[in-house]
Amino acid sequence: NAGVTQTPKFRVLKTGQSMTLLCAQDMNHEYMYWYRQDPGMGLRLIHYSVGEGTTAKGEVPDGYNVSRLKKQNFLLGLESAAPSQTSVYFCASSYGGTNQPQHFGDGTRLSIL
Amino acid sequence: GQQLNQSPQSMFIQEGEDVSMNCTSSSIFNTWLWYKQDPGEGPVLLIALYKAGELTSNGRLTAQFGITRKDSFLNISASIPSDVGIYFCAGRSGGNQFYFGTGTSLTVIP
Repeated sequence: NAGVTQTPKFRVLKTGQSMTLLCAQDMNHEYMYWYRQDPGMGLRLIHYSVGEGTTAKGEVPDGYNVSRLKKQNFLLGLESAAPSQTSVYFCASSYGGTNQPQHFGDGTRLSIL
Repeated sequence: GQQLNQSPQSMFIQEGEDVSMNCTSSSIFNTWLWYKQDPGEGPVLLIALYKAGELTSNGRLTAQFGITRKDSFLNISASIPSDVGIYFCAGRSGGNQFYFGTGTSLTVIP
């Protein structure tokens, strides 16, 4: 039982390049989330999904897009990477209902040069 | 977004000592969560609180949902070296979003 798996674990991009981060969960969770973690700022929600085929904006959605075509996968896309998007990105999932605790992956460390 | 103030920012304690940290919000929360994050890993849930005044334990950890619903507390008794890490609070006031504190970094000196 892998839980929440994020790929890749590390990536370096040049400004303007695009990439997609993949999150996969094997717990049959309905809700999935993408956060970014920056020094001294805690975790901030980028986008989230309450079920297959649905997505919604979080606290800091600008510059990112997401898709939830399958229940177990949640993709985060950067269309044109900027240095301000250098961060550690975490995916999380929860069983359902907004009171359910979230289970996190181990993160993707992304550097934009 | 919601502001969660977590204190202290960092703690250096001797092994065996007790630890206390807290989290306060600018608005009322319905749910409080406490997570621990080890270097290079994602946060791991420690305790979840759902009702004002609730006191919940998980081994040597005890967390409380403040009666004002604007704060929460985490205590660790008899600290050990593996307690080292960053502890985060998270709260939800409504809707689908949890807001996270900025973390308390704990160092345990053997």
